Amino acid sequence: AAGVIQSPRHLIKEKRETATLKCYPIPRHDTVYWYQQGPGQDPQFLISFYEKMQSDKGSIPDRFSAQQFSDYHSELNMSSLELGDSALYFCASSYNRNTEAFFGQGTRLTVV
Amino acid sequence: GENVEQHPSTLSVQEGDSAVIKCTYSDSASNYFPWYKQELGKRPQLIIDIRSNVGEKKDQRIAVTLNKTAKHFSLHITETQPEDSAVYFCAASKEGTYKYIFGTGTRLKVLA
Repeated sequence: AAGVIQSPRHLIKEKRETATLKCYPIPRHDTVYWYQQGPGQDPQFLISFYEKMQSDKGSIPDRFSAQQFSDYHSELNMSSLELGDSALYFCASSYNRNTEAFFGQGTRLTVV
Repeated sequence: GENVEQHPSTLSVQEGDSAVIKCTYSDSASNYFPWYKQELGKRPQLIIDIRSNVGEKKDQRIAVTLNKTAKHFSLHITETQPEDSAVYFCAASKEGTYKYIFGTGTRLKVLA
């Protein structure tokens, strides 16, 4: 069965650079979530989209933005990267809310 | 704001024993409670979930109980096996939102 696809799997960037993470949800899933997980931490909710419209916003820095496109894939854009942005970034998708969310394999971002 | 507390942070059990992880949520409007298992460097994977209209749910060696009055829910793993060793996260979401708030995680070690 198709799963949530994230790319790239690994990304190394320098401070003050920009990064774009991509997420392809499971077909027919209408909701996409972005989470940030630091080492030894729980996943922190960043932002979500339902039917290509932003729905909820969490602890997403102003330097970050995200959108969902007409084909339902989503991108997380990160600018002016800081060392503290180094983390695992997960995308998840679900069919509607309050149902099982399936996570992608994550993008490991390292800022040096 | 919304908050999910999880205890204990680490738990070691002998193989074959039971393990119990507890979570408390702050928002009484929360109505969906998933549990995720995460192995090191991998994606969180749903192992069981429960809705607020149900008090208990069981799937083989795993069960979840919910006490809405106390705003507690717990994960029970019986006959633990070494492959159960991982970090377990509880989460909560509520109607009208598109986000899951995660607990801080429990690192479970099953000793052979």
